[in-house]
Amino acid sequence: DAGITQSPRHKVTETGTPVTLRCHQTENHRYMYWYRQDPGHGLRLIHYSYGVKDTDKGEVSDGYSVSRSKTEDFLLTLESATSSQTSVYFCAISDTTADYTFGSGTRLTVV
Amino acid sequence: AQTVTQSQPEMSVQEAETVTLSCTYDTSESNYYLFWYKQPPSRQMILVIRQEAYKQQNATENRFSVNFQKAAKSFSLKISDSQLGDTAMYFCAFRTIIQGAQKLVFGQGTRLTINP
Repeated sequence: DAGITQSPRHKVTETGTPVTLRCHQTENHRYMYWYRQDPGHGLRLIHYSYGVKDTDKGEVSDGYSVSRSKTEDFLLTLESATSSQTSVYFCAISDTTADYTFGSGTRLTVV
Repeated sequence: AQTVTQSQPEMSVQEAETVTLSCTYDTSESNYYLFWYKQPPSRQMILVIRQEAYKQQNATENRFSVNFQKAAKSFSLKISDSQLGDTAMYFCAFRTIIQGAQKLVFGQGTRLTINP
């Protein structure tokens, strides 16, 4: 969807290195989300934001941090990547009257 | 906490057949939304259909319809006249609202293959 972009689309990194994934939206939606997708688990919520500088944890937040310094950008950081964080990461946006719009996902491989 | 269960990891049918994907959920809320999402090999998450719990009428979108049984907490997806383009992962999801944010809880997914 043109209103939300994720970068990078693919990334390979080494264990122990920091990694930052970026989500950018042009819809001016208030709410932004980070999910991870793993086989057998569907998508699980990592963190979400309900406004600039307002964030909260989801069900699988350990090892992840987020930041939202402006409405359009929501960053997901893995401070020290581990092999268990190999996954596909999805960003999504929503608003009070709008359903989710998902980004196209980032495939992260930690070797 | 809400949970969503899809008990069919994989399904396979012939083109033009009808297929039903199962989903059950658990919640103590009385007003909520349920969704089916499609994820083709492109990885894009595509909303297929949504159901509002307070509406008794089952939602339909062209060849896609749901059988929503609120008391049984069941939400199945029926695809009629299946097409090759329906081949994808399908996820059932429950929506809850926290601090105004729409949090989705997903099932494990069903991989559907439509054979020519």
